[in-house]
Amino acid sequence: AQTVTQSQPEMSVQEAETVTLSCTYDTSESDYYLFWYKQPPSRQMILVIRQEAYKQQNATENRFSVNFQKAAKSFSLKISDSQLGDAAMYFCAYRRGSWGKLQFGAGTQVVVTP
Amino acid sequence: DTEVTQTPKHLVMGMTNKKSLKCEQHMGHRAMYWYKQKAKKPPELMFVYSYEKLSINESVPSRFSPECPNSSLLNLHLHALQPEDSALYLCASSQDGKGAPSEQYFGPGTRLTVT
Repeated sequence: AQTVTQSQPEMSVQEAETVTLSCTYDTSESDYYLFWYKQPPSRQMILVIRQEAYKQQNATENRFSVNFQKAAKSFSLKISDSQLGDAAMYFCAYRRGSWGKLQFGAGTQVVVTP
Repeated sequence: DTEVTQTPKHLVMGMTNKKSLKCEQHMGHRAMYWYKQKAKKPPELMFVYSYEKLSINESVPSRFSPECPNSSLLNLHLHALQPEDSALYLCASSQDGKGAPSEQYFGPGTRLTVT
């Protein structure tokens, strides 16, 4: 069975600073995808970034980037130049292939202070 | 357009009521999902429809009944719910298929309260 672990229940960051959220996963599959979703207080789940396992290059979306360490089964998210609007619950998620179920970690609450 | 819409936004129902949640997407996605989410917890998968057929039922109680009338619509029929069923119900869709993008797009959810 696959599991996704987020070991940081909450992270605090000052505006304009950088914060890194950790995520590890367990799988024996070679074809899979990893995602970070953001859920602000409105509770709308928003896709932040996607990483295909077969790609060595780390995904980047504007101020959001990942550090994908396949051998270590680690998938961390870096938020640069943090903004007040980045305050949200962040979920790491794993999906096997193109058809598998999406499995979520427990989430990390990001607090942004002015 | 990556929009998934859900109605209603809020729903309060008694334990003897029958109500339905609706979800719609116009992205041509062939897989649609229902999730249940409690506060401060990750979403829990309930049902998956693939090409309008139910492909996954995560042992959900029969008081929840999904329906997929066509490839753009997904309903969740509710009957004789319990107070512990109060939660945010999220709908999602994805393109799926070999080589297709695998990310799921979520609707804004329906906040359900069972009294």
